[in-house]
Amino acid sequence: DAGVTQSPTHLIKTRGQQVTLRCSPKSGHDTVSWYQQALGQGPQFIFQYYEEEERQRGNFPDRFSGHQFPNYSSELNVNALLLGDSALYLCASSPRGYEQYFGPGTRLTVT
Amino acid sequence: AQSVTQPDIHITVSEGASLELRCNYSYGATPYLFWYVQSPGQGLQLLLKYFSGDTLVQGIKGFEAEFKRSQSSFNLRKPSVHWSDAAEYFCAVGLSGGYQKVTFGTGTKLQVIP
Repeated sequence: DAGVTQSPTHLIKTRGQQVTLRCSPKSGHDTVSWYQQALGQGPQFIFQYYEEEERQRGNFPDRFSGHQFPNYSSELNVNALLLGDSALYLCASSPRGYEQYFGPGTRLTVT
Repeated sequence: AQSVTQPDIHITVSEGASLELRCNYSYGATPYLFWYVQSPGQGLQLLLKYFSGDTLVQGIKGFEAEFKRSQSSFNLRKPSVHWSDAAEYFCAVGLSGGYQKVTFGTGTKLQVIP
């Protein structure tokens, strides 16, 4: 049984560009959450998707947007990248109402 | 709003010694509590969780945690640490298991010395 998968593993972008990160949830999981983990910090909640809708959102600007597809996979989009967006982006999936399982993350570097 | 405090940024223990990592939470209702472990450059692995019932919960890799409502704490313990336990440990609290957002602490980095 495959766990949560994320792509790409690493990504380097320039300030002002846009980026799309992808996540496939664990089999049987219908809820996907995204987190940003800056170096030396704990993960910070960005938003959560269930039934293709954003259900919860953390304190992140509108530059951060997402989408969930009918097969429960998800994308995180970040527009107008800033240097401060450099971080490990983690995707987590869960069956509704249960604990979250995390993917390996995508390391985004903004130069 | 819920919050999590991990007062120890860095802990060093000798291999074979016991371990306790502290976690205090702030939340008005009964929380859902988790401990995750993260190896360098990796994602997070769930060690254990508390939703309800027995306040002493057992997890993977020989870890356990005890929920103490009166102290708003959920400390992680292991009786004998192995070198492979060296990693960063995160305590987290959620409104429910996975339907609402999970708030993480800042983490405790564990170093294990021979």
